[in-house]
Amino acid sequence: RKEVEQDPGPFNVPEGATVAFNCTYSNSASQSFFWYRQDCRKEPKLLMSVYSSGNEDGRFTAQLNRASQYISLLIRDSKLSDSATYLCVVISNSGYALNFGKGTSLLVTP
Amino acid sequence: NAGVTQTPKFQVLKTGQSMTLQCAQDMNHEYMSWYRQDPGMGLRLIHYSVGAGITDQGEVPNGYNVSRSTTEDFPLRLLSAAPSQTSVYFCASRDTGMAYGYTFGSGTRLTVV
Repeated sequence: RKEVEQDPGPFNVPEGATVAFNCTYSNSASQSFFWYRQDCRKEPKLLMSVYSSGNEDGRFTAQLNRASQYISLLIRDSKLSDSATYLCVVISNSGYALNFGKGTSLLVTP
Repeated sequence: NAGVTQTPKFQVLKTGQSMTLQCAQDMNHEYMSWYRQDPGMGLRLIHYSVGAGITDQGEVPNGYNVSRSTTEDFPLRLLSAAPSQTSVYFCASRDTGMAYGYTFGSGTRLTVV
């Protein structure tokens, strides 16, 4: 079983829609959690960290459920520029290695 | 502040050739890693380093060597290139605190023919 699993999508949504992605991880000792965004043929870029209490950055909200070992990302009022692949990333209890999900593809259409 | 710089951006090698992918960061980060990204496979860890002089293997280390003589540089060496090493390679670095995510370089697109 892969350590981090995501629904690959694609998610096709109209502009202005709300969309949610989920991600599950297998190592209960994992310590840090992130969402990254990757545009086509570009490097992954940090979108936001994920905290147990939940955190929000503008239109983006991230949640962590340690008991169920899943992470979520909610995007409100989707923009065309949100079209990208969203990567769920977990840092293992060792503290150095990132474990990546394969990514969820989002396409926002006019 | 350039962040993480990778060179070259593109490279074509013949089977059996060797080469070094360069990675440099100017953020004084202790942790550095190399990943490869293949379609349908996601990003996989090749080698990592937790500080100058300290390196270790990741998930897919075969065919690659690394060294870390300075905090800034973390080159990846392909010893004898194989077509299976055709991929996009990303170098990344981060600070040691658990709250910090990695910063990635822009990648090297390698084709082995």
